[in-house]
Amino acid sequence: QSVLTQPPSASGTPGQRVTISCSGSSSNIGSNYVYWYQQLPGTAPKLLIYRNNQRPSGVPDRFSGSKSGTSASLAISGLRSEDEADYYCAAWDDSHVVFGGGTKLTVL
Amino acid sequence: QLQLQESGPGLVKPSETLSLTCTVSGGSISSGSYSWGWIRQPPGKGLEWIGSMFYSGTTYYNPSLKSRVTMSVDTSKNQFSLKLSSVTAADTAVYYCASGVADFERIDYWGQGTLVTVSS
Repeated sequence: QSVLTQPPSASGTPGQRVTISCSGSSSNIGSNYVYWYQQLPGTAPKLLIYRNNQRPSGVPDRFSGSKSGTSASLAISGLRSEDEADYYCAAWDDSHVVFGGGTKLTVL
Repeated sequence: QLQLQESGPGLVKPSETLSLTCTVSGGSISSGSYSWGWIRQPPGKGLEWIGSMFYSGTTYYNPSLKSRVTMSVDTSKNQFSLKLSSVTAADTAVYYCASGVADFERIDYWGQGTLVTVSS
């Protein structure tokens, strides 16, 4: 069981907006930043969002992050086929990093 | 732009020690700007953080693995390494070396990953 809880799957059609949730507790999301990673099939993960809602250089503004209390969300607008991947949230928790279990996004 | 490359045995026997090395190019491992760490992913499963450190010596390990993990740096070779002792089949995973800026949770650079299988 992962410390951060994500839905195992999500789906959407091209052009649609989808959101992926990440639920934690006061010791992780509630008191620290949230990070999001995208893992395309057969590749290493890639940083999508850092410090709740900041995008690294090169990440399209279709990707956005938010946080409220002990939960966070990743939103993808204008969904594209190449967005089909696994998405993971992460946060600091009492001297170590915890990941969510991951959400497999399918573009229908 | 940092580049990371893992190396080490792909097969380790149960109860033995898993040893991996990450070679860093495009930057100095003695830079205080970057954290250096390891993440693993069992086949078909999610990501698990193993541990991270700054060159200054600040090091944190996953509490569930802490008793078996050692991470170290070799500045002469611009490498950092992972040792995981007393391995079992549950330690079979793709192991990624990784680096980030400022925060341990922020991982900007990843190695390609190396599959380590624990089996006799």
